[in-house]
Amino acid sequence: GEDVEQSLFLSVREGDSSVINCTYTDSSSTYLYWYKQEPGAGLQLLTYIFSNMDMKQDQRLTVLLNKKDKHLSLRIADTQTGDSAIYFCAESIRDNNDMRFGAGTRLTVKP
Amino acid sequence: NAGVTQTPKFRVLKTGQSMTLLCAQDMNHEYMYWYRQDPGMGLRLIHYSVGEGTTAKGEVPDGYNVSRLKKQNFLLGLESAAPSQTSVYFCASSYSSWRGHNEQFFGPGTRLTVL
Repeated sequence: GEDVEQSLFLSVREGDSSVINCTYTDSSSTYLYWYKQEPGAGLQLLTYIFSNMDMKQDQRLTVLLNKKDKHLSLRIADTQTGDSAIYFCAESIRDNNDMRFGAGTRLTVKP
Repeated sequence: NAGVTQTPKFRVLKTGQSMTLLCAQDMNHEYMYWYRQDPGMGLRLIHYSVGEGTTAKGEVPDGYNVSRLKKQNFLLGLESAAPSQTSVYFCASSYSSWRGHNEQFFGPGTRLTVL
């Protein structure tokens, strides 16, 4: 099947920007999502982008979508220690009634 | 609103034992899902339900059964547990299908270890 791929780890210093990258392979994806998982908790939706958009900004979060390269990124500005978590990229595929998750990127923010 | 709750939070089973994981949601969602999360593999869909009395297979359904007798509850059963079923299990619910945008709400997870 198709895979959603992300790097497993990212470490940044407090106050820096974090960029988490994701690649997907199914061109029929309709929506792309970023979920955040804090320790011992379930996943929580952070933001999403519709497949006909290139960029979406929501306070400290910026999502960039490059459909040609099937590349999605999440930028967190002024990263705080509270942003330390696992971030999952996910795609929904309208025709298949399916939703696929990446393996998750563990973001560590050092003071 | 409690959102999505799961019981139990932790469980240790011996190979061959059976158990049922319970998921409950109080948001009147039509759709409910069971995922398993394994290191380095993200979430994989086990089974899902599009409404009371319905169930369907996901990506990794073997070794699991589900039931949705009430709209607010979705049960995941393991009839004969195997070590390969050691994982963290997440339940989720949503208003509708994946065909358009919809947000899935997740429970806190159940950590299952099969010895």
